[in-house]
Amino acid sequence: QKEVEQNSGPLSVPEGAIASLNCTYSDRGSQSFFWYRQYSGKSPELIMSIYSNGDKEDGRFTAQLNKASQYVSLLIRDSQPSDSATYLCAVRGSYGKLTFGQGTILTVHP
Amino acid sequence: DGGITQSPKYLFRKEGQNVTLSCEQNLNHDAMYWYRQDPGQGLRLIYYSQIVNDFQKGDIAEGYSVSREKKESFPLTVTSAQKNPTAFYLCASGGLVTYEQYFGPGTRLTVT
Repeated sequence: QKEVEQNSGPLSVPEGAIASLNCTYSDRGSQSFFWYRQYSGKSPELIMSIYSNGDKEDGRFTAQLNKASQYVSLLIRDSQPSDSATYLCAVRGSYGKLTFGQGTILTVHP
Repeated sequence: DGGITQSPKYLFRKEGQNVTLSCEQNLNHDAMYWYRQDPGQGLRLIYYSQIVNDFQKGDIAEGYSVSREKKESFPLTVTSAQKNPTAFYLCASGGLVTYEQYFGPGTRLTVT
């Protein structure tokens, strides 16, 4: 089992829809969870951090964390073509290192 | 203008040559990291440092070396022992409270 797994994608949604990106992790001692956005040919950009169970909202983005189920998700409301990118889930495990998932490619079509 | 800089943006080398990638940050972050990204893959940790003059191996340290002589700087040397060095190299820095990491623009290394 991979340490951090993301839904394989690619994910395609129409403009204005909600995009849902999912991530599961194997280390039960993980404490910190991050979502990064990476445009093609560019470096990752941190868009959300979440540390406790529940929802965290920032503009059109909502991160959801469920430690019991070892699951973290990112919802993007009112998706725009400019949201088209690869989204990386990252988890800080028990030993302090950040482990990244493979990424989910999101395409928002007009 | 605060941020993380990496240079050069593109680097081409012949097999058998060592090459050093630069990473500088002026965010006053304690920790710095080097990752490698291959096409269609996630990021893999090469080395990290949480304090000056100390660093730890990540998951794929073989064939790489680093130094941390200043808080602001964390250069990575890709040695000739690295079997498959062509990749996108990303430097990141962050604090030791939230553990958020912020990335530089990256260096694309091609070895032929």
